[in-house]
Amino acid sequence: EIVLTQSPATLSLSPGERVTLSCRASQSISTYLAWYQQKPGQAPRLLIYDASNRATGIPARFSGSGSGTDFTLTISSLEPEDFAVYYCQHRGNWPLTFGGGTEVEIK
Amino acid sequence: EVQLVESGGGLVQPGGSLRLSCAASGFAFSAYPMNWVRQAPGKGLEWVSYISRSSSNIFYADSVKGRFTISRDNAKDSLYLQMNSLRAEDTAVYYCARDHEGAGVYFDLWGQGTLVTVSS
Repeated sequence: EIVLTQSPATLSLSPGERVTLSCRASQSISTYLAWYQQKPGQAPRLLIYDASNRATGIPARFSGSGSGTDFTLTISSLEPEDFAVYYCQHRGNWPLTFGGGTEVEIK
Repeated sequence: EVQLVESGGGLVQPGGSLRLSCAASGFAFSAYPMNWVRQAPGKGLEWVSYISRSSSNIFYADSVKGRFTISRDNAKDSLYLQMNSLRAEDTAVYYCARDHEGAGVYFDLWGQGTLVTVSS
């Protein structure tokens, strides 16, 4: 099973700041990684797939990069609606797994 | 409207059974592989099971293998999860989630979730 480790667990930031979230895989997964955003009481929303492709309707301030074992989600300038929990997920092989999540909270 | 609506959650005793359903609408259900993903209260996401378009390929997380069965009825635009021998650690919100077309097993459409509570 591929383990995804997200860091940090929590980030305290202000609107307008740039944020970089990390996801590290326990073995190489090429670019088979997605990022999701989840707000309290809501289902997750797909942001990025295959490491760097934005899903339909996702604003350009969200970008993803990386390959192999190290991946990054960047939000160029935090909007108030971006405060949420972010998860990474791989599709390298079965079973699929998610990272433990990074909470981006308002400072 | 493109949507997934889960139902069938509730309170069940340890060792009991429950069947979840997911009704799809607004898109060609039969053209998409589908999944169940769960989230224990206050915890992260856990993929549970996958079923291909024609049900020819099915996969499970180790934590539910042998106890849960995924199935689908394309004529009824519905996805199911039969859960047997339930344990306290199965307590979670269960989401059905659609595969992202052409991009592999990523989840681009989610239901609102149904809560399963396993407790005596």
